[in-house]
Order: sequence, then C-alpha cells, then structure tokens
Amino acid sequence: HSALTQPASVSGSPGQSITISCSGTSSDVGGYTYVSWYQHHPGKAPKLMIYDVSNRPSGVSNRFSGSKSGNTASLTISGLQAEDEADYYCSSYTSSSTRVFGGGTKLTVL
Amino acid sequence: EVQLLESGGGLVQPGGSLRLSCAASGFTFSSYAMSWVRQAPGKGLEWVSGISGSGDTRYCADSVKGRFTISRDNSKNTLSLQMDSLRAEDTAVYYCAKDLATTALRCLDYWGQGTLVTVSA
Repeated sequence: HSALTQPASVSGSPGQSITISCSGTSSDVGGYTYVSWYQHHPGKAPKLMIYDVSNRPSGVSNRFSGSKSGNTASLTISGLQAEDEADYYCSSYTSSSTRVFGGGTKLTVL
Repeated sequence: EVQLLESGGGLVQPGGSLRLSCAASGFTFSSYAMSWVRQAPGKGLEWVSGISGSGDTRYCADSVKGRFTISRDNSKNTLSLQMDSLRAEDTAVYYCAKDLATTALRCLDYWGQGTLVTVSA
C-alpha cells in the first residue's frame, strides 16, 4: 500500500480554522473505520488526536475533529492556537492487514 | 500511567543485525496489540510491524518483510524487534507504540520516545 496523500503544508492565523485532507483508496481509508490522526512535535512522541474517523481520546481538545467522505478523511482544527503548530499524520488500516500512514502535513500558525 | 521505554538502538554496519526492546508499564500488556513505527531523517512516519496481544498474530510492512521479526514476552511486559540484513534506508528513529485494540491494527494511543538506529559503514 502506498502512503496516504496529505498536503505537505497548511497554515492559519490564531483563532482561524484549518482542515487537513488525507486521501486513500477503497482498500484503506474508504474501506474501514480505523482511520486515525496523530500530532507530532519534532523530538517528542507522537500523540493520538482522533481515532475511528471521528472519536477524540480523553484529554484531547474538542477543537480537533475528524470526518470521512468516500476515500478521503479530514482533520479540522478550529480556534487555532500557537501550540497546535506541529506535523500531523493520518493513518488507516488496510485490506492487506497492515497500517499505512500519510506523508504528513506541517501546520504553521502564523 | 502508561510508559513505553525503547532501548537497543545504535550504529550498525550494512548487512548487520540489531535487536530493539520496549519495556511497557502502566497497563495490562497482554491485552493490547503493539507496533513498531519508524521515522527516517527528514521523512514521515512509517509503520513497520505489529503483533496481537497474545502474540499469535503478526503483521509486517513489505519494506521489512523477511528481515525484521516482531515478538513479545507477556510475562516480562516486553516488546522486541529483531532487525537483520540492515540497509542504509533502515536508518531511523524507531518508536514502540500501544494499540487501542487487542487484535486489530486499530490506532496507536500511546508512544515511546523512540530509539535511533543508524546503518552506516
């Protein structure tokens, strides 16, 4: 399975909303509900932000939300804050019983 | 508190072997699947391998199939990754991560800090 497709970078000003897309196929994103999103600050451990397409783990701000339409999943961050600046990765279960990540999106808060 | 502590990284020559370990604590280790994920310098995350909570089902990325073997010792709360026939492109930070589920590759809810593996002559 090839890596899922994400934009290399997105940016927004504090208080604004941004959306990161994650495009796959019917053999991964489109075929399963095991789609998740991770926040990664360089040098630190990645952090789970969304699981099963749209569920938030305990402790994750409700400013983060996830959705899916067809073969494309999306992560939306509302009310952008400086600490949201990080790399974001989507991931999906695949029909080959493996896990695939997206290429990652660098979020810059202007 | 869930804690995952990787060890075993270092410098190894191409064609060599290395064994990574991950000591887990703060949860019932045998109840959850576990995975290894890596990040090469300047690159994104890449899932490497996973194993069910009981250890009887293993999953592996094509890029390491036949060279890397994942295993676990539920009596010692330890996850391992045996890496053989290492290549320069295996150079990366390797993360140990806990799955939310027992058997399936659902999502990774806790991650370690990572251990660096460098493959170079």
